[in-house]
Amino acid sequence: AQSVTQLDSHVSVSEGTPVLLRCNYSSSYSPSLFWYVQHPNKGLQLLLKYTSAATLVKGINGFEAEFKKSETSFHLTKPSAHMSDAAEYFCVVSDRSNDMRFGAGTRLTVKP
Amino acid sequence: ETGVTQTPRHLVMGMTNKKSLKCEQHLGHNAMYWYKQSAKKPLELMFVYNFKEQTENNSVPSRFSPECPNSSHLFLHLHTLQPEDSALYLCASTQGSYYGYTFGSGTRLTVV
Repeated sequence: AQSVTQLDSHVSVSEGTPVLLRCNYSSSYSPSLFWYVQHPNKGLQLLLKYTSAATLVKGINGFEAEFKKSETSFHLTKPSAHMSDAAEYFCVVSDRSNDMRFGAGTRLTVKP
Repeated sequence: ETGVTQTPRHLVMGMTNKKSLKCEQHLGHNAMYWYKQSAKKPLELMFVYNFKEQTENNSVPSRFSPECPNSSHLFLHLHTLQPEDSALYLCASTQGSYYGYTFGSGTRLTVV
């Protein structure tokens, strides 16, 4: 069985400050892990994915995430937040099946 | 555009109406999904199709009826819906969860 927990339902940062969105996962097998972003009234867009290659994964819009097996974590970071980063972010885990489990989401607010 | 197209983008229907949502992808993906996204709730998986065959029905009420005539098209037929069915309905496709899902922009459904 696989599952994912996003530790914060809401994160608020000031523009220009770092972003940290936390995600812990559980999987019986070597997982694939993903972060998606959803802007209001839009579909989900893939930000980045980890599929057992390099543990530090770089994505679009300056985001990156680090896979830490010992901590079963896949936290999403960005050095400097931009107003356009305000959105809902979903952490997703997948094992060997076509089944993907979504976290409950973290809403990121960016203050001017 | 992501390569997964959903129509219509917005739909308002009465509880006695019959309508259909359409999803189309020409990415060569073999698996297609319907998700329901309600305000302040986690993403809910509704139906899964692999190679046109339904492989998962996540206890969805019968007033939602999916149809997958081929690997590129997926429909969700709606009839006698309830106001609580108002939500964003998202379609996704994949060639394998290792690659992640590609989402459409969704249909915003309002039942009055």
